[in-house]
Amino acid sequence: GQQVMQIPQYQHVQEGEDFTTYCNSSTTLSNIQWYKQRPGGHPVFLIQLVKSGEVKKQKRLTFQFGEAKKNSSLHITATQTTDVGTYFCAGAHTNAGKSTFGDGTTLTVKP
Amino acid sequence: DAGVIQSPRHEVTEMGQEVTLRCKPISGHDYLFWYRQTMMRGLELLIYFNNNVPIDDSGMPEDRFSAKMPNASFSTLKIQPSEPRDSAVYFCASSFRGGSYNSPLHFGNGTRLTVT
Repeated sequence: GQQVMQIPQYQHVQEGEDFTTYCNSSTTLSNIQWYKQRPGGHPVFLIQLVKSGEVKKQKRLTFQFGEAKKNSSLHITATQTTDVGTYFCAGAHTNAGKSTFGDGTTLTVKP
Repeated sequence: DAGVIQSPRHEVTEMGQEVTLRCKPISGHDYLFWYRQTMMRGLELLIYFNNNVPIDDSGMPEDRFSAKMPNASFSTLKIQPSEPRDSAVYFCASSFRGGSYNSPLHFGNGTRLTVT
């Protein structure tokens, strides 16, 4: 089936360092969503990207959608301990129906 | 809005027993999804409904799993008989699709199932 690959699986950073997670699909995506799951919690929607080359920012978080709409990234500037959790991308290959979740990147931040 | 409500939060059962997980989606949402999360397999989509009709159940592991949505405000996921490998966190999520693009999923708090 259609897959969305996400790397890295784990990332350990010192507080204040930057963090990036990458999402790749072998086929063109209709749109991509990003979610954050805190330890013991449930995935919470962060943002959706739809347009080729789109860039969106939320405070210290920057989301990008590739020109070919096959890849996406989430970059966090100057991580804080509140950023810990697992970040998932979810790609949709059509404009309706289901999205496929990546395996997630688990971020730990050392104070 | 109370969000997506799942029950129970935790379920411990013995192998062979029937397990029923429940979900109340956000009012007005027309899509409902059941996901299973494990360390080994990540977040897996089991089945989803649109306007109470099952659209894609290709993720349902086997015949022991069944899901229903008798009305817009209630869905169940049933496992009969349960096996230890079914141990996981089961999430229900709902969304409203009004536009042409996938809309955000709103997840419930999940049901942590342990089968001994």
